[in-house]
Amino acid sequence: DVKVTQSSRYLVKRTGEKVFLECVQDMDHENMFWYRQDPGLGLRLIYFSYDVKMKEKGDIPEGYSVSREKKERFSLILESASTNQTSMYLCASSFLGGSVSNEQFFGPGTRLTVL
Amino acid sequence: GIQVEQSPPDLILQEGANSTLRCNFSDSVNNLQWFHQNPWGQLINLFYIPSGTKQNGRLSATTVATERYSLLYISSSQTTDSGVYFCAVERGGAGSYQLTFGKGTKLSVIP
Repeated sequence: DVKVTQSSRYLVKRTGEKVFLECVQDMDHENMFWYRQDPGLGLRLIYFSYDVKMKEKGDIPEGYSVSREKKERFSLILESASTNQTSMYLCASSFLGGSVSNEQFFGPGTRLTVL
Repeated sequence: GIQVEQSPPDLILQEGANSTLRCNFSDSVNNLQWFHQNPWGQLINLFYIPSGTKQNGRLSATTVATERYSLLYISSSQTTDSGVYFCAVERGGAGSYQLTFGKGTKLSVIP
């Protein structure tokens, strides 16, 4: 079974803190993704990466950065957390596609509260 | 960008009833997935179905790519089926990996 794990289920931070959310997958997937989910807005893509050290902006990258130093690990960084970044953060991974399925698999999510 | 619309937004079923959830999308797709989000927020993969029909127990799904819609069928519903069902698509073309999600169908199955 594919396993995508996230470092925390719940996290509470203060405004202005630097926040790291970690995601690890064990299926040798090339692609990794960070989404956030908000009531009424659904799931929206923040950033994704299709290879080590590569990154692409999604729909809402402002206020976030990412790091992919190893294939299995993709980190989301909030440089200076703000209250409007209180949300559910979901990490996902998939193969690149082509001759193999690019089905995405999700981690359990991190509920971040910024006070 | 590609638009994804799900219907109905809310659905209440008596246990044992059947239901059909619909997903319409506005452009050709490489990938279409159905997910069930459980009460703890985990997205559980139900189907990877860019075209055709698949079945898994009481659930089945059909995607008609040429007409840009997909259907998720739930038969003999159980209370554990409650939650939010999402359809998500990856638009067609090379190098486009991101999923665009619909707003979901919130299903409540009552005993």
